[in-house]
Amino acid sequence: DTEVTQTPKHLVMGMTNKKSLKCEQHMGHRAMYWYKQKAKKPPELMFVYSYEKLSINESVPSRFSPECPNSSLLNLHLHALQPEDSALYLCASRDIFGGDRTYEQYFGPGTRLTVT
Amino acid sequence: DQQVKQNSPSLSVQEGRISILNCDYTNSMFDYFLWYKKYPAEGPTFLISISSIKDKNEDGRFTVFLNKSAKHLSLHIVPSQPGDSAVYFCAASPPTGFQKLVFGTGTRLLVSP
Repeated sequence: DTEVTQTPKHLVMGMTNKKSLKCEQHMGHRAMYWYKQKAKKPPELMFVYSYEKLSINESVPSRFSPECPNSSLLNLHLHALQPEDSALYLCASRDIFGGDRTYEQYFGPGTRLTVT
Repeated sequence: DQQVKQNSPSLSVQEGRISILNCDYTNSMFDYFLWYKKYPAEGPTFLISISSIKDKNEDGRFTVFLNKSAKHLSLHIVPSQPGDSAVYFCAASPPTGFQKLVFGTGTRLLVSP
């Protein structure tokens, strides 16, 4: 099972709203990632969690707040977003102990976020 | 600074023929390379990878070639099928602890019947 699930699939929010994106994997992967992807662009790394600890923050604005409650779950809390934050938000996970496969990241289907 | 580049935004191929997607990189520290396939409204799906210690890796219809001296890799799909129509991203990873992936800009492949 190489499935990463994300909810919701679509989200429309106003600039004053607070919402959360959720990501879940049951592959035992100990590294989890948030990416942002705009149309016709490659995914851009936002955050990396390793063993439930934030390892990398790619200078993401504080209106995006990640959280890793346990090894299977990853959340992205959103507050006071701007219309330019509208994008596809992708979650991925990686098996740190995967041997030859340790570089492979498995992506969820994404949450299509629209900020109005 | 785009460290991983896919200079062809699109490629059209007939069913049954070979599709060749190219990728160039600038950072000689990259030591692992991956190809992902992405359908609209879905997340990228891992296809095939190659370590910098190899020059070829094959998996069914997919073969990745790596030319380290030219900092160039390519993905060959033989034979191409209409279901292969998607956007293909190459990605590279430096030898750091967190295996950040640096993605190319993508090539849209269209395989026509």
